[in-house]
Amino acid sequence: KNQVEQSPQSLIILEGKNCTLQCNYTVSPFSNLRWYKQDTGRGPVSLTIMTFSENTKSNGRYTATLDADTKQSSLHITASQLSDSASYICVVSGDRRAGNNRKLIWGLGTSLAVNP
Amino acid sequence: DAGVTQSPTHLIKTRGQHVTLRCSPISGHKSVSWYQQVLGQGPQFIFQYYEKEERGRGNFPDRFSARQFPNYSSELNVNALLLGDSALYLCASSGQQGAAGYTFGSGTRLTVV
Repeated sequence: KNQVEQSPQSLIILEGKNCTLQCNYTVSPFSNLRWYKQDTGRGPVSLTIMTFSENTKSNGRYTATLDADTKQSSLHITASQLSDSASYICVVSGDRRAGNNRKLIWGLGTSLAVNP
Repeated sequence: DAGVTQSPTHLIKTRGQHVTLRCSPISGHKSVSWYQQVLGQGPQFIFQYYEKEERGRGNFPDRFSARQFPNYSSELNVNALLLGDSALYLCASSGQQGAAGYTFGSGTRLTVV
């Protein structure tokens, strides 16, 4: 069964601090892994997309890492801001050639609250 | 340059009614996917359309249907609404079938009472 698991489920940090969110997956074979930020009641916004050959990718204060061997990814947020408060979702796409037809497999997300 | 636009933004319907949700993809994008997101859960895949043909379907009953028009916009139709259909319905577009780089709209919040 294809699964994407994220930890922690929720996190509270102070403004200006750094944090790291984790994503472990069992999707195989693997096509790409994405991190999305989703504000409550809004659509997800893409932060990073990585294929198996990419180990790290940055988008401003967001840095994602990927270890395709251990099937783990992390999202590091630097110098957090109040506007970073949102749900961060890890999404894995399987390889269509293996019959997974590239449906996105979503984690349940980490709810991040940044307090002043 | 407009992103993915969905309409309406909010909708309240009564059990048994039907609803039509609309999505306009990013200009040039030919693939549209629909997702249902119940509060507190991740989005669940409903349909994918590419070049006006259904290319993927999730585990949803036949009450759910969709279509894509020649201009690549799409409609999601839900018949005989149930209370459990209350959710945020998300539309995502991409340039190729199933390719990376999905862009999501802000969603339509459907409430069934």
